[in-house]
Amino acid sequence: EVQLVESGGGLVQPGRSLRLSCAASGFTFDDYAMHWVRQAPGKGLEWVSGISWNSGSIGYADSVKGRFTISRDNAKNSLYLQMNSLRAEDTALYYCAKGRPGGISGSLFDYWGQGTLVTVSS
Amino acid sequence: QSALTQPRSVSGSPGQSVTISCTGTSSDVGGYNYVSWYQQHPGKAPKLMIYDVSKRPSGVPDRFSGSKSGNTASLTISGLQAEDEADYYCCSYAGSYTVFGGGTKLTVL
Repeated sequence: EVQLVESGGGLVQPGRSLRLSCAASGFTFDDYAMHWVRQAPGKGLEWVSGISWNSGSIGYADSVKGRFTISRDNAKNSLYLQMNSLRAEDTALYYCAKGRPGGISGSLFDYWGQGTLVTVSS
Repeated sequence: QSALTQPRSVSGSPGQSVTISCTGTSSDVGGYNYVSWYQQHPGKAPKLMIYDVSKRPSGVPDRFSGSKSGNTASLTISGLQAEDEADYYCCSYAGSYTVFGGGTKLTVL
């Protein structure tokens, strides 16, 4: 059974940093692209970032480019999101999602975690 | 990176069919056959319902179908059931990024 478990969320002041983690199990992690998708309270879904199976291809939404960094550790079956210079508008539930085999091309998120809540407020 | 355009709400009675549209541009929906649809019940994670415009993952009822014409994709749900009441999001690849629609709330009357 595929499981994705996010952690690392919490309350953080504007301008500070936070690192999210996603522990994956139930599939061959290093065969698949992985993504972060967020959802602000009461709002819709927003793709944040994606990373290919071997970290060779990475993409970011314009809203986080230059502030967020996605990475993965295939030996630990883990996905990460380093979030710097956080803003109030980054407040959201952050989901880890499993993508296609290989690269980040093509929008397909077939398994999702339950999310970790990030609140940016002073 | 503009969001795809979906109606804010649609409704239908049990047994009826409803269609949710998703309009983008030639840079996203119209440019790739990488449109997917997600169902989200309140307080739950999204669930993949359709991918690559019209493919259904295993376990998704064949009442759910997808299509695309030009820059507009559509999700059709036939034989509406009470459990279909949820928010639905379309999603498209756009070359170097992925974009979602704003979401559509489906009400089963």
